[in-house]
Amino acid sequence: EIVLTQSPATLSLSPGEGATLSCRASQSLPSRYLAWYQQKSGQAPRLLIDNVSRRATDIPDRFSGSGSGTEFSLTINRLEPDDFAVYFCHQYGSSPTFGQGTKLEI
Amino acid sequence: QVQLVESGGGVVQPGRSLRLSCAGTGFPFSRRAIHWFRQAPGKGLEWVAVISDDGNSKYYGDSLKGRFTISRDNSQNTVHLQLNSLRPDDTATYYCTKAFTMFGVASDYWGQGTLVTVSS
Repeated sequence: EIVLTQSPATLSLSPGEGATLSCRASQSLPSRYLAWYQQKSGQAPRLLIDNVSRRATDIPDRFSGSGSGTEFSLTINRLEPDDFAVYFCHQYGSSPTFGQGTKLEI
Repeated sequence: QVQLVESGGGVVQPGRSLRLSCAGTGFPFSRRAIHWFRQAPGKGLEWVAVISDDGNSKYYGDSLKGRFTISRDNSQNTVHLQLNSLRPDDTATYYCTKAFTMFGVASDYWGQGTLVTVSS
């Protein structure tokens, strides 16, 4: 099983600032099977990024993904109040797993 | 408009069974793999199972140890998840999602989930 470790667990920032969230895999991911989801309290996760860096439909370009091998990151520029949520990385190979999440708080 | 609607959750005693359903509309249901994921209260996400578009291939998370069974009825645009021998640590919100293929493609849409509580 590929274990994903996210850091930091909590990130405290202000609107207008930029955020960088990290995701480390216990082994190199097959192909580019790495996604990022945003989850707000009481809601289902929402796909932001797949294939490491491809934005999903209707996701603004303030969100960007990067990385390779075992190190991946999600960058959010110019934070807006609606961006404060929990973010999960997810590898969708043959035995999918998730990171434990990073809470982005104001 | 894409919709995935889960149902069938509730409170159940340990050792009992429950059958969850996932109804999909607004997309070609019979041409999409369907996953189930779960999230324990205040915890992270865990993959549960996936079924191929035609229902012929099924895979499960290692931790389930044969207690869960996924199936689908494309004539009804529905996927079911049978939960047997339930344990308190199965308490979670169960989500169904759709994807182009079983693996190698991220789930692009999630339902709102159905809560399963296992308690005596």
